[in-house]
Amino acid sequence: DTGVSQDPRHKITKRGQNVTFRCDPISEHNRLYWYRQTLGQGPEFLTYFQNEAQLEKSRLLSDRFSAERPKGSFSTLEIQRTEQGDSAMYLCASSLGFSPLHFGNGTRLTVT
Amino acid sequence: DAKTTQPPSMDCAEGRAANLPCNHSTISGNEYVYWYRQIHSQGPQYIIHGLKNNETNEMASLIITEDRKSSTLILPHATLRDTAVYYCIVRLVNTGTASKLTFGTGTRLQVTL
Repeated sequence: DTGVSQDPRHKITKRGQNVTFRCDPISEHNRLYWYRQTLGQGPEFLTYFQNEAQLEKSRLLSDRFSAERPKGSFSTLEIQRTEQGDSAMYLCASSLGFSPLHFGNGTRLTVT
Repeated sequence: DAKTTQPPSMDCAEGRAANLPCNHSTISGNEYVYWYRQIHSQGPQYIIHGLKNNETNEMASLIITEDRKSSTLILPHATLRDTAVYYCIVRLVNTGTASKLTFGTGTRLQVTL
């Protein structure tokens, strides 16, 4: 058990570019969550997968955001046409059923 | 999900017990109390959770009042490495829902020498 892994740890991009983040959950965890955290705030829920099915999306997840979890293993979060307001820490978490969520250390995105 | 209320900040001397309070007066019967902490530049770390009984693990103790409207997280012997933001969260555990965690702004605990 190596924990939840996120890649990259840091990403700097120019406004208007597309970015993609990857999350590898704890093996055999069927639930996967994406959160976003801005400075001084707690993490905010973005979306949730159970196996490969995306079952809930927050209103924070605009049309420029898309998440996938093919084959119910790793997940990707893509942001198209990035804006400065997208600058944040993007956190991934996984759980087995209703067990506690385990978080990765996040991807810090800076949009210049 | 029910909301929680926590003090924005607390101080604790190293070696002393840190008692972090949380109010969750609108908690419902199928909502658990969870505690997480977040050390700077890291993801939130799970500490402990409970429904109505007090719980203890290697990290902390959780005391939930009988009416379940408030709880206290106890770090028995705080160290400098316990300096972090502590989040108290009520989590709906129900089949067919995301059972997601809804974070507030937490309590910033500063452990000092």
